Amino acid sequence: AQTVTQSQPEMSVQEAETVTLSCTYDTSESDYYLFWYKQPPSRQMILVIRQEAYKQQNATENRFSVNFQKAAKSFSLKISDSQLGDAAMYFCAYRSAVRAGNMLTFGGGTRLMVKP
Amino acid sequence: KAGVTQTPRYLIKTRGQQVTLSCSPISGHRSVSWYQQTPGQGLQFLFEYFSETQRNKGNFPGRFSGRQFSNSRSEMNVSTLELGDSALYLCASSLTSLRTAMNTEAFFGQGTRLTVV
Repeated sequence: AQTVTQSQPEMSVQEAETVTLSCTYDTSESDYYLFWYKQPPSRQMILVIRQEAYKQQNATENRFSVNFQKAAKSFSLKISDSQLGDAAMYFCAYRSAVRAGNMLTFGGGTRLMVKP
Repeated sequence: KAGVTQTPRYLIKTRGQQVTLSCSPISGHRSVSWYQQTPGQGLQFLFEYFSETQRNKGNFPGRFSGRQFSNSRSEMNVSTLELGDSALYLCASSLTSLRTAMNTEAFFGQGTRLTVV
């Protein structure tokens, strides 16, 4: 079974600064997808960024980028130029690319606070 | 394009009762997954339905069941409610690539907050 671990229950960042959220995972599969989801107080999970394991290039989406280290099974999220609207719970998630279906395994989440 | 719609948004039930939650996926999406979110256990996968068939199942007791209709709408049922079933229940829909048979990203609804008293 796959596991996803987020070791930082809470993080804070000053507005306009950069913050990195950590995620590690464990799997015996060679092909998989990794995701970062954001859950604001409205509770709706919003996809921030995705990474295919077979791609060596790190994914980027505007101010969001990842550092994917496959050998170390690490998948951190970097948020640049932090904005007040970035304050939310962030979840790292794993999905198999071998097994059919869309079952996501989530980490415990990191609460990000943005200080004005 | 409308997003994933979950109804109701809030629900209060008594121990021992049963409850049915509904999820309407994004138009064209055939995969619907359900998750339970609690402060103690975090986000846990319940089950996934695709083309009216359960494709994956998490580690939950048989009191938790679901189904999917021909229009891809899904319902989740919890029987004999326990206090520990109080949670946010999230539904997610995905579009299956017929060519690769793999799903794209999951799009989530706003959830149903169930309180068992």
